[in-house]
Amino acid sequence: GQSLEQPSEVTAVEGAIVQINCTYQTSGFYGLSWYQQHDGGAPTFLSYNGLDGLEETGRFSSFLSRSDSYGYLLLQELQMKDSASYFCAVRKQAGTALIFGKGTTLSVSS
Amino acid sequence: ETGVTQTPRHLVMGMTNKKSLKCEQHLGHNAMYWYKQSAKKPLELMFVYSLEERVENNSVPSRFSPECPNSSHLFLHLHTLQPEDSALYLCASSQGGSTSYEQYFGPGTRLTVT
Repeated sequence: GQSLEQPSEVTAVEGAIVQINCTYQTSGFYGLSWYQQHDGGAPTFLSYNGLDGLEETGRFSSFLSRSDSYGYLLLQELQMKDSASYFCAVRKQAGTALIFGKGTTLSVSS
Repeated sequence: ETGVTQTPRHLVMGMTNKKSLKCEQHLGHNAMYWYKQSAKKPLELMFVYSLEERVENNSVPSRFSPECPNSSHLFLHLHTLQPEDSALYLCASSQGGSTSYEQYFGPGTRLTVT
């Protein structure tokens, strides 16, 4: 079977740092993507890791360890607008669609 | 219009109705996707079209019928739906190939089957 596991909910305060983990078991792996979805909105692409290591994009960073079948999204200097659902998604092969996790709901409070 | 647009945004239909969802992308992409998003469940891939050819069909019931007349337009034809088909239906597009990990989603159609 294929599965992606991530926590269902995370809470944090403004200015804090939060890490959302994602472990995966899939028949084939080409890379790990992260998407953000605000309530009532469309998912939007945040980052992608095709190789092991850390990718940084502003306040957001994403990490991948293929040997551990594990990745995480790191959000720094949290803001209220970061309250949303965050999905990890595995790209099984080049040129094919993504398999999404169930998503992590992040709630940021003041 | 920019990005990915979907119409209608909301749809209520009876189980015997026939309706179609429309998706249009203005990004020059060559791959388009239909996803179903239900509460408490991950986004479920339904169909993938690459260069107007269906390349993936994830065991979707035949009451859902996709159509991709060109690389900018994607339709999902619905007939004889069941209440459990009520969900948010999302369309997405990507450049395909090596950048298919970066997909651009439309706002979705919220479908309610009564």
